[in-house]
Amino acid sequence: EDKVVQSPLSLVVHEGDTVTLNCSYEVTNFRSLLWYKQEKKAPTFLFMLTSSGIEKKSGRLSSILDKKELFSILNITATQTGDSAVYLCAVANAGGTSYGKLTFGQGTILTVHP
Amino acid sequence: DGGITQSPKYLFRKEGQNVTLSCEQNLNHDAMYWYRQDPGQGLRLIYYSQIVNDFQKGDIAEGYSVSREKKESFPLTVTSAQKNPTAFYLCASRDSHNSPLHFGNGTRLTVT
Repeated sequence: EDKVVQSPLSLVVHEGDTVTLNCSYEVTNFRSLLWYKQEKKAPTFLFMLTSSGIEKKSGRLSSILDKKELFSILNITATQTGDSAVYLCAVANAGGTSYGKLTFGQGTILTVHP
Repeated sequence: DGGITQSPKYLFRKEGQNVTLSCEQNLNHDAMYWYRQDPGQGLRLIYYSQIVNDFQKGDIAEGYSVSREKKESFPLTVTSAQKNPTAFYLCASRDSHNSPLHFGNGTRLTVT
């Protein structure tokens, strides 16, 4: 069974701090790893990673994948109160009977205080 | 505007009744997914479908059923066999295995 574990489960910081969220995984046939932000209802897409060592960046957010050690990190620099959300990590399976399956982790609840 | 529509937004049912949650997409996506979200547990996969007339069980399929008779529609039935049906249900779709999921706004089901 595919497995995705995120840490920490929750994090409280102050505006301006930098945070690192972790995602480790076990999957039979890895295709990609995805990060999402969920504020109210529908998760919104942040990044999709398929290759090791290549950083993806969008504003103050960045993410990188290590396929040898089976983990990814999501960094947020100079946090703002609007970054408060649940951050979700998911892994896509590429093979066999689990082709197309996307498994999510438990999520990290980030709270940014002013 | 293209997107995924889930209805209703809130749904209340008595224990022992089956209930069907609607999910419609006009994105022309081949693959569709159903997830359940409980507090502190992230998203758990119920069922997914790669093409019309075919679907696979996810990690928590017991007590649920789906159909995929049309490309744009993937309804989820929560049966009376599901022990703890009260949850937030999210439907998603994507057009290929190299693209991200697009989510609907969810249906919050309460069973009493």
